[in-house]
Amino acid sequence: DTGVSQNPRHKITKRGQNVTFRCDPISEHNRLYWYRQTLGQGPEFLTYFQNEAQLEKSRLLSDRFSAERPKGSFSTLEIQRTEQGDSAMYLCASSPDRASGMKNIQYFGAGTRLSVL
Amino acid sequence: GESVGLHLPTLSVQEGDNSIINCAYSNSASDYFIWYKQESGKGPQFIIDIRSNMDKRQGQRVTVLLNKTVKHLSLQIAATQPGDSAVYFCAESSSGGASKIIFGSGTRLSIRP
Repeated sequence: DTGVSQNPRHKITKRGQNVTFRCDPISEHNRLYWYRQTLGQGPEFLTYFQNEAQLEKSRLLSDRFSAERPKGSFSTLEIQRTEQGDSAMYLCASSPDRASGMKNIQYFGAGTRLSVL
Repeated sequence: GESVGLHLPTLSVQEGDNSIINCAYSNSASDYFIWYKQESGKGPQFIIDIRSNMDKRQGQRVTVLLNKTVKHLSLQIAATQPGDSAVYFCAESSSGGASKIIFGSGTRLSIRP
């Protein structure tokens, strides 16, 4: 499978615990995005990387959230001291850079569904 | 502020008929628009896109129309099939899609046999 891969697919945790999600983008894509989606809503932008540089963060990304992409390949999204309001689907997307000459369409993974009890 | 909204939250269409899903946007700086399809348990799947210097673009069984005057976007699906059942999101970007995409809340398309 050469698409965007996210792990785990589901995560159930207790309030106050820390969780970490992983995203493996399409191999030739150097841009990687994180979105959050709650039931019945469209995805909301959280942050994005170009290679290892985090270029933009949404106001939704509180100080309990941190995203990394240390080698410019896979990325992790960590949520510390989870709250029930963090329950959502966390989606990762990747796209090629404009400089590659390819269209910068964002391709999404299947997401990680987080349930905070 | 920026917003992308849809006129109807649900749409029921007879199999074989054409479907039209509408979307309004408010950011006049948007220069790139995308339609995504999301099936249950899956991530959004790219369908078709259009840049602001165009008013129509066609794909396989799908057509996107852009009316910048009234800030309106539509997705037309020809000969709707059961496999088209999903939630459809319009989305916009003011950076040609190079950074964040702003999604609307979605329209659920259901197909009647």
